[in-house]
Amino acid sequence: GDSVTQMEGPVTLSEEAFLTINCTYTATGYPSLFWYVQYPGEGLQLLLKATKADDKGSNKGFEATYRKETTSFHLEKGSVQVSDSAVYFCALSDTNSGYALNFGKGTSLLVTP
Amino acid sequence: EPEVTQTPSHQVTQMGQEVILRCVPISNHLYFYWYRQILGQKVEFLVSFYNNEISEKSEIFDDQFSVERPDGSNFTLKIRSTKLEDSAMYFCASSAQGAGRETQYFGPGTRLLVL
Repeated sequence: GDSVTQMEGPVTLSEEAFLTINCTYTATGYPSLFWYVQYPGEGLQLLLKATKADDKGSNKGFEATYRKETTSFHLEKGSVQVSDSAVYFCALSDTNSGYALNFGKGTSLLVTP
Repeated sequence: EPEVTQTPSHQVTQMGQEVILRCVPISNHLYFYWYRQILGQKVEFLVSFYNNEISEKSEIFDDQFSVERPDGSNFTLKIRSTKLEDSAMYFCASSAQGAGRETQYFGPGTRLLVL
């Protein structure tokens, strides 16, 4: 079945450092890919998405490109801030599963001043 | 901006008791979902609901679970006889029809603790 694999955390970075969180997926169909963010004590917020190969999703300085050839959707940000400290979840959905989201385990990011 | 709301934010119950978790999806959305997140683990899909019927369900969603849309705004998840392992954060989500269907918007969650 479909699955999502994320890099293990926690990731600790200094403010203004470059961020990469790796995400790869396995899917039988043509999934849509998502990054969700969960700030401490809060629910899941959609950060960005891409619905087909080579699409780039972007929001709040974060970017991820849907790479079909490497089955990846890595999250990047050029300069992180303390306020970016959160847990980041990569997820996929496709029509075969009725659009149910299949999440990775999440990567915790801590940004220090 | 419209948002999904959930009540209660926290619930503590005794093992074997019934609980009902409530959600108010975004008003023009037609697809509704429940997910759970056991502490320290990944978010897991439970069930999706459309047109007053279950569309998809995971193997977690056994006979102890049920969902209902009792009126035009609420969407509920009932656990008939709670077990210790049902302790988790439960998230409701909704999505629109058509091109926006794959984008799900989540509520803040209900933290359920079964003692």
